[in-house]
Formats: sequence, structure tokens, C-alpha cells
Amino acid sequence: EVQLVQSGPEVKKPGEPLKISCQGASYYFSTHWIAWVRQMPGKGLEWMGAIYASDSSIRYSPSFQGAVTISADTSVSTAYLQWRGLRASDTATYFCARVNAYGVLDSWGQGTPVTASS
Amino acid sequence: DIQLTQSPSFLSASIGDRVTITCRASQGISSFLAWYQQKPGKAPNLLVYAASKLQGGVPSRVSGSGSGTQFTLTISGLQPEDFGTYYCQQVYNYPRTFGQGTKVEIK
Repeated sequence: EVQLVQSGPEVKKPGEPLKISCQGASYYFSTHWIAWVRQMPGKGLEWMGAIYASDSSIRYSPSFQGAVTISADTSVSTAYLQWRGLRASDTATYFCARVNAYGVLDSWGQGTPVTASS
Repeated sequence: DIQLTQSPSFLSASIGDRVTITCRASQGISSFLAWYQQKPGKAPNLLVYAASKLQGGVPSRVSGSGSGTQFTLTISGLQPEDFGTYYCQQVYNYPRTFGQGTKVEIK
């Protein structure tokens, strides 16, 4: 069974850096895109971007370009999402998901809640 | 960006009812559309891809149809486990986008 396991909840102050992770298991990590999806409290899903770990190709949504950095390390089958300095408006749950051959998100991580508050 | 508009935003239905959710795209996306169900506090779950193909393990009472700009998700015979919020997503081009969601409540 495909599994994506995300890092735990984070509570940070605005301006602090943060890097969260998503580790894939039971499939060949390098041959799939991994996408990141934001869900703000009580709101819908927003596609942030995706990475193809094999060659580090990355696609960002213009809404998130420059605000976050997506990366991956194939040696540990892990994708990352990072911020140089959090804002209060980054408070949300962040999901990673595997992209299948049809381009859709067929397996999801459990979500990482991030709170940025002073 | 391609905009996806779902209707209705909320619906309340009884067990056994036939439920239909619509997703309209701001431009043609062929059949590059998926549907997800999300329950509170959980990650979304893929139901339908390529507009009408059922993901493995999804009950046959769920079906998807449409192409171009108009799509529907139908649940024939609503069950208690069908509550939650449903989202459509286009995978025609980048950036991928989601509809705003349809919350389904069981009466």
C-alpha cells in the first residue's frame, strides 16, 4: 500500500523559517510527481506546486511562487516544503499527495498543521 | 488560471437519495477532471479521474460524467458514509486548480 507520511504539527512565530516533510513508502518515489496542497482553516483546497523528484523539475502555482520552496531528496524518498519567514496568513494544514499517471492525486499524506502566531 | 465553479455549495439529502454535484470550468478541459471527497479532519480521497473513471475501492453508486466545460458527480443512493465535502480538480494545465467545494449533509 502506498504511504505518504508527513512531519508533525508546527507552531512558529511570524518571521521564523520552517521546513516540513513528506516521506513516501511502498512505491518507487523517484518516478512520481509529489504535489503540495494548502487548506486554510475552514476553507477549500489550493494547489501550491509539485516536484518530480527524479530530475527536480518543479511547477509552482503563481499564487505561491516566491513564497515557498519545494524540494526533494530521493535518497530518503522525501519531499519538502519550506518557508524562509512565515506569516500569520500561512496558518493552514498542508497536505502532500502523489500524482499518478493521469495527473491526479491518488494517495495523500495525513496533513501537517502549521500555526504562525505571535 | 482555469476557474472551476461547483454547484451547489451545500446540499442536504436523505439516505437513499440521488445526489448530483456540478463542476463548470472557465474554459474547455477535455476530460482532465477529478473528484475528491474530504471528511472533517482527514485528507481528501480520490473518487473519480479522467471525468468518469472510478478509482479502485470507490463504490459503484458513485459516478462521474462530462467533458469540455461541464461535469457532474452523481451518488445514486446516498449512504451515511457519503457525508463530507466534495471537490473537483482540473489537471488540464498548470496551475492545477480546485473547485470551491460542495458540502454534503445527511438529513
